[in-house]
Amino acid sequence: EVQVVESGGGLVQPGGSLRLSCAASGFSFNTYAMHWVRQSPGKGLEWVSALSSASHTYYADSVKGRFTISRDSSENTLYLQMNSLRAEDTAVYFCARGDTSMVPYSYFDYWGQGTLVTVSS
Amino acid sequence: IQMTQSPSTLSASVGDRVTITCRASQSIRTWLAWYQQKPGQAPKLLIYKASTLHSGVPSRFSGSGSGTEFTLTIGSLQPDDCATYYCQQCESDSPFTFGQGTNVEIK
Repeated sequence: EVQVVESGGGLVQPGGSLRLSCAASGFSFNTYAMHWVRQSPGKGLEWVSALSSASHTYYADSVKGRFTISRDSSENTLYLQMNSLRAEDTAVYFCARGDTSMVPYSYFDYWGQGTLVTVSS
Repeated sequence: IQMTQSPSTLSASVGDRVTITCRASQSIRTWLAWYQQKPGQAPKLLIYKASTLHSGVPSRFSGSGSGTEFTLTIGSLQPDDCATYYCQQCESDSPFTFGQGTNVEIK
């Protein structure tokens, strides 16, 4: 069974840092692209970042230069390092599997339950 | 690429045929997906490539369209279908964009 489980969310002050983790199981982690999608409280979905199986990275303009996506294939874990956090980064962050190894032209076929990040003083 | 869904909210009776529309600001060919999200849950993929049903999704869900206009149809609305539905384009990877969502309620 395909599963992705996020962790690492919490309360952080503006300007602070946080690292989210996404533990994957039930599929060959190295052969799929992985994504982060976020949802601000009561709002819609916003794609944040993606990592292809060939380690090409992609970012939304709103997080470029502040967030870094990476993976540890030995641990089947995806990460999102978030620096210089702002109030507008407050959201539930979902980890999602892409349906192919590449990022372009891909859909999100399995999602985790999300982890809440709150940026506030 | 901007994605615009209509309506924002939809109220219908059990058994009704329900249609949600999604418009793209430029052609995305058939690179469109639909997701269902219930309160407190993660989104679930329903349809991809505009009209292909994802594994395990009931056949009352269907999708159509190409270019800039797309529809999601629920053939016979069921109580379990109360949710918010989002379209998503993947023609362009920078960035992927979602519609603003359509909230489906039962009358």
